[in-house]
Amino acid sequence: GDSVTQMEGPVTLSEEAFLTINCTYTATGYPSLFWYVQYPGEGLQLLLKATKADDKGSNKGFEATYRKETTSFHLEKGSVQVSDSAVYFCALSAPQLTFGKGTKLSVIP
Amino acid sequence: NAGVTQTPKFQVLKTGQSMTLQCAQDMNHNSMYWYRQDPGMGLRLIYYSASEGTTDKGEVPNGYNVSRLNKREFSLRLESAAPSQTSVYFCASSETAAGSGVYNEQFFGPGTRLTVL
Repeated sequence: GDSVTQMEGPVTLSEEAFLTINCTYTATGYPSLFWYVQYPGEGLQLLLKATKADDKGSNKGFEATYRKETTSFHLEKGSVQVSDSAVYFCALSAPQLTFGKGTKLSVIP
Repeated sequence: NAGVTQTPKFQVLKTGQSMTLQCAQDMNHNSMYWYRQDPGMGLRLIYYSASEGTTDKGEVPNGYNVSRLNKREFSLRLESAAPSQTSVYFCASSETAAGSGVYNEQFFGPGTRLTVL
């Protein structure tokens, strides 16, 4: 069945550091790929998405590229801020959403 | 436009009690979903409703029932609560793009934190 594997956390970075959270997937067919973010005490919000191979999703300085050849959708940001502290979930939809287990990011000043 | 709303926000039950979690969306979406979130497990799908009048089991349906009351509302019922059902429950909705092969994002409610003693 479909599955998503993302890097284990927690991840702690200093403000302005570069962020990468790895995500790989297994799916039959051609899923859409998503990154969701969950701030403390809140529900999940869509951060970015990509619907076909080589698409790049971007939002709020975060980017991820749909790589069909490596079945990956790694999340990157060039300079993190304290306000980016949250749990990040990679997910695929084909059509039901399958989530990774989440990566907790803490950014310290 | 409130998006997806859930009630209650918090609930404490005793083992064996029953309750219904309510969810409503005002985005005219066809599909609705119930998930549970447990530490280190990500989100797991309990039930979903692809369209009004249909419901299907997800990954972890045991101990739950659902009702798609109309296009807006999708409720989750615990008939006899167990401590293993202590979790945070999220409802979500999406506008499926039937036949297009493109699957749209899901919009999530704020969650219900349920404790079963």
